[in-house]
Amino acid sequence: EVQVVESGGGLVQPGGSLRLSCAASGFNIRTYWMSWVRQAPGKGLEWVAKIKEDGSEKHYVDSVKGRFTISRDNAKNSLYLQMNSLRAEDTAVYYCARDEPGGHLLHWGQGTLVTVSS
Amino acid sequence: DIQMTQSPSSLSASVGDRVTITCRASQNIRTFLNWYHHKPGKAPKLLIYAASNLQTGVPSRFSGSGSGTDFTLTISSLQPEDFATYYCQQSYSNPHNFGQGTELEIK
Repeated sequence: EVQVVESGGGLVQPGGSLRLSCAASGFNIRTYWMSWVRQAPGKGLEWVAKIKEDGSEKHYVDSVKGRFTISRDNAKNSLYLQMNSLRAEDTAVYYCARDEPGGHLLHWGQGTLVTVSS
Repeated sequence: DIQMTQSPSSLSASVGDRVTITCRASQNIRTFLNWYHHKPGKAPKLLIYAASNLQTGVPSRFSGSGSGTDFTLTISSLQPEDFATYYCQQSYSNPHNFGQGTELEIK
């Protein structure tokens, strides 16, 4: 069974850092692009970042460029999101998802909550 | 960046109703358009990909159409489990933006 499970969320002060992890099982992530999507409280889904199968290509939404870094460890079948210089507006549930050919997101995790507050 | 605009933002309907949600892209995205529904506390669920392809396991009451800039999601006969928020997403170019969502509520 294909599964992705996020971890690493929590409470962090403005300006702080947090690293999210996504552990995949039931498939080999080395053959898929992988993405992060978030949902702030009371808001809609927002696409955050994606990374190519071998990590050679990365894309970000403008609001996180220069602050967030997506990475992967194919040997560990894991995806990561390093979040620096966090702001209150980064407060959200962060989802990890597997990209299918064509870019749609079929397999999602349950999400991990990041709260940025003093 | 490509902007995605859904209408309506919210919708009240009854079980058995036929419902249509529209999504407009700010530029031509061919058929790189996907539809999801999302319930609080759950993972989003893919319904339709590439504008009109029903994801395996999704009931046939869901259908999608359109190409270029204008797309629709239709639910032919609403069921209780369909009350949720619906999102379109373009996967033509990065960033793969979502629409703002359409909240489907029980009348």
